[in-house]
Amino acid sequence: NAGVTQTPKFQVLKTGQSMTLQCAQDMNHEYMSWYRQDPGMGLRLIHYSVGAGITDQGEVPNGYNVSRSTTEDFPLRLLSAAPSQTSVYFCASSYSRGRNNEQFFGPGTRLTVL
Amino acid sequence: AQSVTQLDSQVPVFEEAPVELRCNYSSSVSVYLFWYVQYPNQGLQLLLKYLSGSTLVKGINGFEAEFNKSQTSFHLRKPSVHISDTAEYFCAVTRSGGSYIPTFGRGTSLIVHP
Repeated sequence: NAGVTQTPKFQVLKTGQSMTLQCAQDMNHEYMSWYRQDPGMGLRLIHYSVGAGITDQGEVPNGYNVSRSTTEDFPLRLLSAAPSQTSVYFCASSYSRGRNNEQFFGPGTRLTVL
Repeated sequence: AQSVTQLDSQVPVFEEAPVELRCNYSSSVSVYLFWYVQYPNQGLQLLLKYLSGSTLVKGINGFEAEFNKSQTSFHLRKPSVHISDTAEYFCAVTRSGGSYIPTFGRGTSLIVHP
């Protein structure tokens, strides 16, 4: 199993540009989520999905879009990048039933917006 | 809704000394509790979790945590730290039987000096 994979690892954007951060998991997890990590702020939830076709907003959704067309993939779209979106982005997945609710994290995407 | 407070943003210790990282939570319902570790430039990985049963939970790399319901705490301990334990540690909580999207604390940076 590859677990949770994220691409790219690093990205530099100019203000106003758009891009998509990719996330995929091969564990057949129902739950997938996107977090951003900023110094002193911990992990903040951007969007999450409880299954294919179902998404919902987290704590800091503004400026980001998501969709979940398959169980495996959960891309995060930045519509018009702003310097405030400079951060490290983590994708995570987990089961939705039973006691196996450990979150599995990807390696992260480090995004800089100039 | 639940919340998590990690009382120390940074904990410096010397190698082979004991360490305790503090975590308090608030919730009106039963919870599951987790500690995750993030080594430099990596994603998060599970250190240990409390779901039910014994309040003393043992995890990887010699860490353990104790669930204290009356004090709503889940402090992480290790009797003797190594340089390799230098990392960011996150406490997290989910509702038992509810949404499996966890709420994370802001993290504690453990810095082990030789």
